[in-house]
Amino acid sequence: DAGVIQSPRHEVTEMGQEVTLRCKPISGHNSLFWYRQTMMRGLELLIYFNNNVPIDDSGMPEDRFSAKMPNASFSTLKIQPSEPRDSAVYFCASSLATSVLTDTQYFGPGTRLTVL
Amino acid sequence: ELKVEQNPLFLSMQEGKNYTIYCNYSTTSDRLYWYRQDPGKSLESLFVLLSNGAVKQEGRLMASLDTKARLSTLHITAAVHDLSATYFCAAGLTGTASKLTFGTGTRLQVTL
Repeated sequence: DAGVIQSPRHEVTEMGQEVTLRCKPISGHNSLFWYRQTMMRGLELLIYFNNNVPIDDSGMPEDRFSAKMPNASFSTLKIQPSEPRDSAVYFCASSLATSVLTDTQYFGPGTRLTVL
Repeated sequence: ELKVEQNPLFLSMQEGKNYTIYCNYSTTSDRLYWYRQDPGKSLESLFVLLSNGAVKQEGRLMASLDTKARLSTLHITAAVHDLSATYFCAAGLTGTASKLTFGTGTRLQVTL
């Protein structure tokens, strides 16, 4: 069974450009999470969705960041315009949030973003 | 707001030794997770602990939960080099579905 799929795995872009990160959650999972990991701030939750609806976006750094989940099998995280301080590894995770017994989050391989 | 703290942040230990990583959380939680991350890789789920006194073991790793003390431990027995990784604990606020707060991570280095 395929795990969480993210693309691209690596992205190098220049400051000011738009960046779109993509995620396909595990089939049947109903919650999806976007995290950012840096050495300075560790692992930060940016936003999460439940049944395709954004539940908590309090971790989204600023208006340059936006996330969508148009259907149960696809989500995007967009940064426009990108800045060097956005350089990080972005992880997508999914879970089956029907009870605490099944709520383990499974992480994708991550997208390493470098903004020059 | 739920806060999760781990210590130590960095642990260098010799093969064959035992050690414990501690995870404290600030308020009532109904689930506690341990994850492993190898350098340059993703996070892999190790254990989920759901009740006071819960203990889970896999190989040389054993995790336990004391909800009264708001403390979880990850005990490493007779460490081997393959256990070198960063270990994260994460807790979920009671009544808040899905969302987890992660600790800062403990980087474990097992030397020969």
